[in-house]
Amino acid sequence: AQKITQTQPGMFVQEKEAVTLDCTYDTSDPSYGLFWYKQPSSGEMIFLIYQGSYDQQNATEGRYSLNFQKARKSANLVISASQLGDSAMYFCAMREGWGSGGGADGLTFGKGTHLIIQP
Amino acid sequence: KAGVTQTPRYLIKTRGQQVTLSCSPISGHRSVSWYQQTPGQGLQFLFEYFSETQRNKGNFPGRFSGRQFSNSRSEMNVSTLELGDSALYLCASSLGNTGELFFGEGSRLTVL
Repeated sequence: AQKITQTQPGMFVQEKEAVTLDCTYDTSDPSYGLFWYKQPSSGEMIFLIYQGSYDQQNATEGRYSLNFQKARKSANLVISASQLGDSAMYFCAMREGWGSGGGADGLTFGKGTHLIIQP
Repeated sequence: KAGVTQTPRYLIKTRGQQVTLSCSPISGHRSVSWYQQTPGQGLQFLFEYFSETQRNKGNFPGRFSGRQFSNSRSEMNVSTLELGDSALYLCASSLGNTGELFFGEGSRLTVL
């Protein structure tokens, strides 16, 4: 079974609209971290936001927020007021054993969502 | 503050050759990990080093190896290259096992 599922291969959104990118995950580890990365065409993976499994509040970083629904194993990324520069691939990732001294297995990534912002 | 630096950025090899990729982490970061990205398999974890010790390795054959030096710089090596090794190889560094990963721009390997 896939550990990270991103069901939207591609999305077209009008500039200035809010965007929600879906991510569901699967783990039996009670301690984990969830991450979102942006990958422009240049190839570099840019860290956007993370949420720890024990965090009570949803993470926010500027225009990015993470809608964390633990019972549903969902960690959707919300981008408010989208901009043309937001066009890129977006990856959801998980690291199990996060914050517990473990986490040595690396990040497991989803297949990504290609977001295109239209003027 | 300088980011993660990977060299070379692009390279072309032929089947059977070997390749070495280099990664300089962000200053102060002691953990370095490597990922392979291909259109078919997506992003896959290769291995992670912390203080010169390999902590874990992903599901890749023994042709893929790596090491970390005392200054935290890391290299990965792929021997006996196959066509399927063509990929973007991404290096990431972090403070430790509880820090977010910061990625370099990658080394794009083409095997002919």
